Amino acid sequence: EVQLVESGGGLVQPGGSLRLSCVVSGFTFSNFDMNWVRQAPGKGLEWVSYIGSSGSPIYYIDSVKGRFTISRDNAKNSLYLQMNSLRAEDTAVYHCARGRVTRNFDSWGQGTLVTVSS
Amino acid sequence: DIQLTQSPSFLSASVGDRVTITCRASQDISTYLAWYQQKPGKAPKLLIYAASTLPSGVPSGFSGSGSGTEFTLTISTLQPEDFATYYCQQLNVFPRTFGQGTKVEI
Repeated sequence: EVQLVESGGGLVQPGGSLRLSCVVSGFTFSNFDMNWVRQAPGKGLEWVSYIGSSGSPIYYIDSVKGRFTISRDNAKNSLYLQMNSLRAEDTAVYHCARGRVTRNFDSWGQGTLVTVSS
Repeated sequence: DIQLTQSPSFLSASVGDRVTITCRASQDISTYLAWYQQKPGKAPKLLIYAASTLPSGVPSGFSGSGSGTEFTLTISTLQPEDFATYYCQQLNVFPRTFGQGTKVEI
């Protein structure tokens, strides 16, 4: 069974940092591109970042460029999102999602909540 | 960035109804469009990819069509478990934008 489990969310002050993790199982992680998608409370889905199966290429939404860094460790079946200089507008549930060559996100984690507030 | 506009944003329907949701792209995305269903507190679920392809396990009552800039998601006979929010997503270019969502309510 394909599983994606996020962790690392929590309450952080504006300007602070968090590192999110997504541990996967049930498939060969190194064969798949991965994404982070977020959803602010009561709002829609927003794609945040993409990383290719071997660690490149990497893409970000403009609003997080220079503040967030996506990475992966294929030996540990893990995806990461380092988030620095956090802002109130980064408050959201962050989901990791598996990308397919057929261009879709076919498996998602349940998400981890990041709250940026003083 | 490519903008996706879904219509309607809210839809009130009854069990057994035929429902159609439209997604319009601000530029040509060929057939690189996916549809997702999300229920409260849950992760999104892939319903359709490549505009019209159903992944295994998705009920045949769901169908998708379109290419270029206009796409539709149709639920042929609304079931109780279909009341949810539906999102389209373009995967032609980065950033991988989503539509604003369509909430299907009883």
